[in-house]
Amino acid sequence: NAGVTQTPKFQVLKTGQSMTLQCAQDMNHEYMSWYRQDPGMGLRLIHYSVGAGITDQGEVPNGYNVSRSTTEDFPLRLLSAAPSQTSVYFCASSYPGGVEAFFGQGTRLTVV
Amino acid sequence: GQQVMQIPQYQHVQEGEDFTTYCNSSTTLSNIQWYKQRPGGHPVFLIQLVKSGEVKKQKRLTFQFGEAKKNSSLHITATQTTDVGTYFCAGAEGYQKVTFGTGTKLQVIP
Repeated sequence: NAGVTQTPKFQVLKTGQSMTLQCAQDMNHEYMSWYRQDPGMGLRLIHYSVGAGITDQGEVPNGYNVSRSTTEDFPLRLLSAAPSQTSVYFCASSYPGGVEAFFGQGTRLTVV
Repeated sequence: GQQVMQIPQYQHVQEGEDFTTYCNSSTTLSNIQWYKQRPGGHPVFLIQLVKSGEVKKQKRLTFQFGEAKKNSSLHITATQTTDVGTYFCAGAEGYQKVTFGTGTKLQVIP
């Protein structure tokens, strides 16, 4: 099993550019989420989804969009990149209920 | 919204010493999980605690969930260099949103 696959692993963007971070899981998990990790800040929840067609905002949603058209995929879109969005982004999936979450390898994003 | 704080933020210990990290939530949790992230890696699940006052052990690691289900701790006995990493707690509110703590970065000096 591939588990949770995130692409790309590294990305450099110019301020104002848009891009989509891809996340796919093959475990048939209903719950998927996106976090950003910054030094000293832990993992902060951006958006999450409890199933196909259902998404909700987390702690730091501004500047990001998500959609969940299938159970497997949960892409994160940066609408107009800003240097403050320089971070490491993790996608995770699990069954609902705060049980074991499986994380992707992360995407290291730099906005210049 | 829910906040989950961890202390300390950093801890340096001599190999063989014990280590404890504490996790505190602003709200009552339905359950709590603990994760370990090695340098350059991604968080990996360690354990889940569900019941008030629950204590679980994994070899040298002991996890506790507070009676009020608002705090938790992870204690490592006789640390080893393989314990290096950042330890996160994660609290579930109801059965949907999961909020991660700020993490404790552990350095073990050989």
